[in-house]
Amino acid sequence: AQKVTQAQTEISVVEKEDVTLDCVYETRDTTYYLFWYKQPPSGELVFLIRRNSFDEQNEISGRYSWNFQKSTSSFNFTITASQVVDSAVYFCALAIKAAGNKLTFGGGTRVLVKP
Amino acid sequence: GAVVSQHPSRVICKSGTSVKIECRSLDFQATTMFWYRQFPKQSLMLMATSNEGSKATYEQGVEKDKFLINHASLTLSTLTVTSAHPEDSSFYICSASRRLAANEQFFGPGTRLTVL
Repeated sequence: AQKVTQAQTEISVVEKEDVTLDCVYETRDTTYYLFWYKQPPSGELVFLIRRNSFDEQNEISGRYSWNFQKSTSSFNFTITASQVVDSAVYFCALAIKAAGNKLTFGGGTRVLVKP
Repeated sequence: GAVVSQHPSRVICKSGTSVKIECRSLDFQATTMFWYRQFPKQSLMLMATSNEGSKATYEQGVEKDKFLINHASLTLSTLTVTSAHPEDSSFYICSASRRLAANEQFFGPGTRLTVL
């Protein structure tokens, strides 16, 4: 069975600080996908990134960056120069191709960016 | 593109009544739809997976007779909470995926159900 662990339940930072969210996953399958989603107070999930298990390249998108390391089964997410609008709950998720791509979510990390 | 809508966005009902939530893919054909439940300050938990034209597959611990799922067309899936009780109050979110991009799920905005 697969599992996603987000050890940090809540992080509070001051605006312009960097914040890194940890995500550790467990699976025995070799073909899988990793995701990050943002859930603002409105509740709607906002897709941030999808990464497949064969692509370990790190990615940067604006102030967001992701570090995927299969050796440690981690897929960490960094927000650089945080802004108040980044305040939200962030979920890491795992989908296994052989299991019909059902998403298993981590517990989520609540990020609070103070002005 | 790839927009998923849910209706209603909020619903309040009395205990013992049934509530139907609709999930629609507006601009694509959704071969698979997923239903999730999220309790306050918790993560999303998959309830069931439905493929168009076939019976839904429920996750362990989800009562299929209480949460009726119908996926009658490639653009519509419905979740009916039967004989709702206060403990069913939650945020229900659907997602949909396309045949040629099964690893990508598009999420609806969610439905907040409150059972009095």
